[in-house]
Amino acid sequence: GQNIDQPTEMTATEGAIVQINCTYQTSGFNGLFWYQQHAGEAPTFLSYNVLDGLEEKGRFSSFLSRSKGYSYLLLKELQMKDSASYLCALMDSNYQLIWGAGTKLIIKP
Amino acid sequence: GAVVSQHPSWVICKSGTSVKIECRSLDFQATTMFWYRQFPKQSLMLMATSNEGSKATYEQGVEKDKFLINHASLTLSTLTVTSAHPEDSSFYICSARVGGGRETQYFGPGTRLLVL
Repeated sequence: GQNIDQPTEMTATEGAIVQINCTYQTSGFNGLFWYQQHAGEAPTFLSYNVLDGLEEKGRFSSFLSRSKGYSYLLLKELQMKDSASYLCALMDSNYQLIWGAGTKLIIKP
Repeated sequence: GAVVSQHPSWVICKSGTSVKIECRSLDFQATTMFWYRQFPKQSLMLMATSNEGSKATYEQGVEKDKFLINHASLTLSTLTVTSAHPEDSSFYICSARVGGGRETQYFGPGTRLLVL
């Protein structure tokens, strides 16, 4: 079966850096996604990793280690608008997304 | 990035009526679309996978006769909630899969359904 774990909630300060971790177990793997979801809105795509390593996209970076079943999303220069839930999702061998429960990120001034 | 639209964005209906939600991929063709439901402060729950030209695959516990899915073209999938009841009130979100080496799912903006 598949399993995804990520912290329920994190708090960080405006202007700082925060790393949101995601660990998973799966038998089939076609990539690891990160989505951002603001309250009351649909998720928006942030990143996709299928090979090991770091993918950088502006203030956001995502890392994957397939051997360790581990990914993280790194957010730099935090802004108040970054307050949202961050969803880690695993794409299985059938190209379906298996979702983590999400990490609620609270940014404080 | 790819754009997915949903219509309507919100709907209020009486118990017992049917509601149709449309999901369109505006600038790409989506052979696979997904329908999710999300209750307040809960995770996304996959309801069904919709493949163009074939029957949808429903997740365990989702009634296929209640949630009718039609994926008639490469850019349109519809979800019809039949005989809606208050417990069906939720946030319904579709996503469309972009494959071909750029594997991603893009989400529509969602449809809020309130059944009175």
